[in-house]
Amino acid sequence: QITLKESGPTLVKPTQTLTLTCTFSGFSLRTSGVGVGWTRQPPGKALEWLALIYSNDDKHYSPSLKSRLTITKDTSKNQVVLTMTNMDPVDTATYYCAHTDNDYPGGFDYWGQGTLVTVSS
Amino acid sequence: QSALTQPPSASGSPGQSVTISCTGTSSDVGGYNYVSWYQQHPGKAPKLMISEVSKRPSGVPDRFSGSKSGNTASLTVSGLQAEDEADYYCSSYAGSFWVFGGGTKLTVL
Repeated sequence: QITLKESGPTLVKPTQTLTLTCTFSGFSLRTSGVGVGWTRQPPGKALEWLALIYSNDDKHYSPSLKSRLTITKDTSKNQVVLTMTNMDPVDTATYYCAHTDNDYPGGFDYWGQGTLVTVSS
Repeated sequence: QSALTQPPSASGSPGQSVTISCTGTSSDVGGYNYVSWYQQHPGKAPKLMISEVSKRPSGVPDRFSGSKSGNTASLTVSGLQAEDEADYYCSSYAGSFWVFGGGTKLTVL
């Protein structure tokens, strides 16, 4: 059974760096073709794709946010970490991590519950 | 990058069919067969309904189908049921990243 869960601060101040951790079970990031990605959703708004990391350490970023994002994996801990620098109130959103693999290329078939991050001074 | 274009809303009566469009460019929807569709109920995480334009994950009813023509992908929901009322998002590979559509709120009348 595949599960993912996001963790991190619920409140960050403008200009601070956000660090979110996705802890997963039921699959391994050592398996070829497996990936974990991040998506966010501001309150009442649409989904926005952020970043994706594969088991071979191939990384993909949203072009509009690439300069602010870093995605890494810790295979031994079954974790993927997303950092976003220079946070702004417009970054207030629910952040989701999700699983993908070769069965559904680029499609996220398992999602975490999401974590709401508010950016405010 | 620009979000894919979806109609803000769609509706249909129980038992009817509804089609939701997702328009991109030759750099995303038109250039790759990696279009996915997600269903999202209020307060819930998205659920993958269609992958690779028309592939249905196990457990997804066959009332849901996907297709693509040129730069436009479509999701059709046949035999509408009350539980199909939700927001629907398309997503496409765009060369080195993925992009979502703006979402469509499907109302079952």
